[in-house]
Amino acid sequence: EAGVTQSPRYAVLQEGQAVSFWCDPISGHDTLYWYQQPRDQGPQLLVYFRDEAVIDNSQLPSDRFSAVRPKGTNSTLKIQSAKQGDTATYLCASSPPLTINQDTQYFGPGTRLLVL
Amino acid sequence: GDSVTQTEGQVTVSESKSLIINCTYSATSIGYPNLFWYVRYPGEGLQLLLKVITAGQKGSSRGFEATYNKEATSFHLQKASVQESDSAVYYCALSEGNMGYKLTFGTGTSLLVDP
Repeated sequence: EAGVTQSPRYAVLQEGQAVSFWCDPISGHDTLYWYQQPRDQGPQLLVYFRDEAVIDNSQLPSDRFSAVRPKGTNSTLKIQSAKQGDTATYLCASSPPLTINQDTQYFGPGTRLLVL
Repeated sequence: GDSVTQTEGQVTVSESKSLIINCTYSATSIGYPNLFWYVRYPGEGLQLLLKVITAGQKGSSRGFEATYNKEATSFHLQKASVQESDSAVYYCALSEGNMGYKLTFGTGTSLLVDP
């Protein structure tokens, strides 16, 4: 079974530039999460979806960040105008439908973003 | 909001010695979160090590154990005899199950096992 895949693996930007991250969850997983992990901190949830619906985006900086999952499968996270404070690893995770293991999340390798 | 505290940022242990990594939590719902330990081995992605969803129960995996202590709001990770291959970053986390299963993580503890 293929795991969660993410691309690109690395990105380097100047402040003010835009960047998009792409995530392909495990087949059959209906819930998809995006986390931001600054250096030396734990992952922090930005947004999550169940199928194509946003369930919680309260931690997503809405002025510059956006996330979509139009068909309930792949997802894209976009930063419109990056700031140095956005430097972090962006993790995507997915979890299966309502079962005893629904709260087990499977993580992708992450995208490491450096904003200069 | 919910929070998870790991007091040790980095721990060094000699091979075959015992290990304890501390984790305490605060949950704002009814106070019965699901508790997890995730691990990131060098060059790999974050993966589940163990989880416990019932207070008083113990979870175990790969020789590691953690007990859900509701009274102390703790979920310490222990291993009796570490190996060099256990060198990794360990994250304690919680989710409030019926709130959508989003995870709240601690800051992580980097374990280095000396051969």
